[in-house]
Amino acid sequence: GQSLEQPSEVTAVEGAIVQINCTYQTSGFYGLSWYQQHDGGAPTFLSYNALDGLEETGRFSSFLSRSDSYGYLLLQELQMKDSASYFCAVRASGGSYIPTFGRGTSLIVHP
Amino acid sequence: DTGVSQDPRHKITKRGQNVTFRCDPISEHNRLYWYRQTLGQGPEFLTYFQNEAQLEKSRLLSDRFSAERPKGSFSTLEIQRTEQGDSAMYLCASSGSGSGRGEQYFGPGTRLTVT
Repeated sequence: GQSLEQPSEVTAVEGAIVQINCTYQTSGFYGLSWYQQHDGGAPTFLSYNALDGLEETGRFSSFLSRSDSYGYLLLQELQMKDSASYFCAVRASGGSYIPTFGRGTSLIVHP
Repeated sequence: DTGVSQDPRHKITKRGQNVTFRCDPISEHNRLYWYRQTLGQGPEFLTYFQNEAQLEKSRLLSDRFSAERPKGSFSTLEIQRTEQGDSAMYLCASSGSGSGRGEQYFGPGTRLTVT
């Protein structure tokens, strides 16, 4: 099976940089995804890492270290609208498209 | 591309009743997933279709749950003899075979309340 650990809550101020960590244990590994979910909304795909290193998409970047079973989501120039829950999700094999989601990190951005 | 839609958005039912939810995926997507999400948790996988074939089902899924995707387009999820523990948000997602990243597009969900 798979298990993921991420902090339950992170707070930051507008304009700051915040990092949300995710560690995982899985019998196989194919990739790590990140999703954003606003209160009452649907999860929205943010990024995917299959190889070690940093992937940058605008203000958001995601990092993966397969040897450490660790990844993080980096949010820069925080805006109030970034207040949401962020989930990491691991895909255990190339043959399965089923991700296992973590419990999510609630990001609260203060003015 | 109108996105993934789900119907109804909210459902209140009495314990013991049957309920059925519908999901319409993005039209060109051949993969469809059902998840359940409760407060403070991530989406929990229920079942997965590729075209009309149901390829995976969670081992945690009770026999009271059944899903179909008869023509490889829309899907339905039925819960028979509902229990209070079934109260949750039921999310549907779809993805296309061309995405190596496996990104999924989620619908707005159906919130089920069992009284």
